[in-house]
Order: sequence, then structure tokens, then C-alpha cells
Amino acid sequence: QQPVQSPQAVILREGEDAVINCSSSKALYSVHWYRQKHGEAPVFLMILLKGGEQKGHEKISASFNEKKQQSSLYLTASQLSYSGTYFCGTETTEQLTFGKGTKLSVIP
Amino acid sequence: NAGVTQTPKFQVLKTGQSMTLQCAQDMNHNSMYWYRQDPGMGLRLIYYSASEGTTDKGEVPNGYNVSRLNKREFSLRLESAAPSQTSVYFCASSPTLAGGGQETQYFGPGTRLLVL
Repeated sequence: QQPVQSPQAVILREGEDAVINCSSSKALYSVHWYRQKHGEAPVFLMILLKGGEQKGHEKISASFNEKKQQSSLYLTASQLSYSGTYFCGTETTEQLTFGKGTKLSVIP
Repeated sequence: NAGVTQTPKFQVLKTGQSMTLQCAQDMNHNSMYWYRQDPGMGLRLIYYSASEGTTDKGEVPNGYNVSRLNKREFSLRLESAAPSQTSVYFCASSPTLAGGGQETQYFGPGTRLLVL
């Protein structure tokens, strides 16, 4: 079953922060986050393992609440290069299922 | 390392025509996947191959067939293309199958297919 992402789209000015949420109704092994720029392939950002782990990549970090089967991606002090569509992928037995994506636009 | 490569990059077909999308990876990964991406739908799994010699259906397998030719190559065939199969197709690979955690998937550049 496809995880639910929110919001569907967000527009930020450079330097602003954003949070993208991902939730699943199934018990998860992990949550993956990918970013896809227009016309390109999705690119892996980070993986969160069950255990309430939080990770960071530059000014992008994420958390995973395994009790709620929810993950959040935090983008701080956004840059123009952060623009793109962000997908969460939820990992269950033998499957990685992607959400519909959140389109992030960063404007000057 | 080229990573995951796909051919062709673009293709236009007429309804009823057949074609094969090719995918190859040079990372010695065991598992390979085919996704389609449609506007507003995210990435949907068509077929996957846990290891050489095995293939399984994903979420949207109807109208497609796959072949895991060897460890490196995984092809997707449309036997009789339909306009509903107009999409962007991505191939991906991972060290092993999802389910044990930590299985990052690496994506190819995609094939843009238009069926008229």
C-alpha cells in the first residue's frame, strides 16, 4: 500500500524551512528518501532504520517514528538547488513502495 | 562505473506495436526493478527480480513481461502497446531485495515512451 505524503506541493523562498511528512499503515523496516529533479532520475538522499533514528545530509535531515510508522524530512535554510520532487519509500517485507511525491519549489 | 543504464532514452510507438526496454547495471547488484512514473502517481512497481533467474509481479504488471537475462541485465517488454502505457519507465537495482533494511535503490536515467 502506497505511503501518504504531505503536503503535495510547497513553495519556499531561499532560506526558509520546510517539513515533508510520510506515513504508512504498515509496519516498516525502514524509510527511504529520494529527490528527483525535473527530467532526471530519482536520487537517494538517506535511509532511516526503525528505532527512531534521525539522520542528516547537509541541511536536510529526517526522522522516523516506528510506533506511528511516520517519517519526516526537514529542509532548513533552503537553497535553490533543493527544488525538485521528494519521494519517500517505505520498506516492508520484500517491497519498497514509494509515495506520490512532494513537489518543492525554492524561489529567490 | 556507469551505474544503471537504460536504452532507449525516448521511443514513440503506435498502438499494437511491441518493444523491449533494456536495462543493465555494473554494480554487481542482485536485485533489479522496473517502475513506471506518471504525473501525480509517483513511482509504481511493474516487476522486480530478487536475483538472477527469478522475477515477480509488482503493483502494475498487466501488459508487460520481463526477462532477467543475467545478473547485469533486466529487460521489460511491451507485447502490444496501448496509449495507457505512455509513461516514463525507470529501471533500478539494489544489492539485495528490500525487506532486510538498508537496501538503497539506484535508478537509471529513464525511458520516455509515447504510445499513439
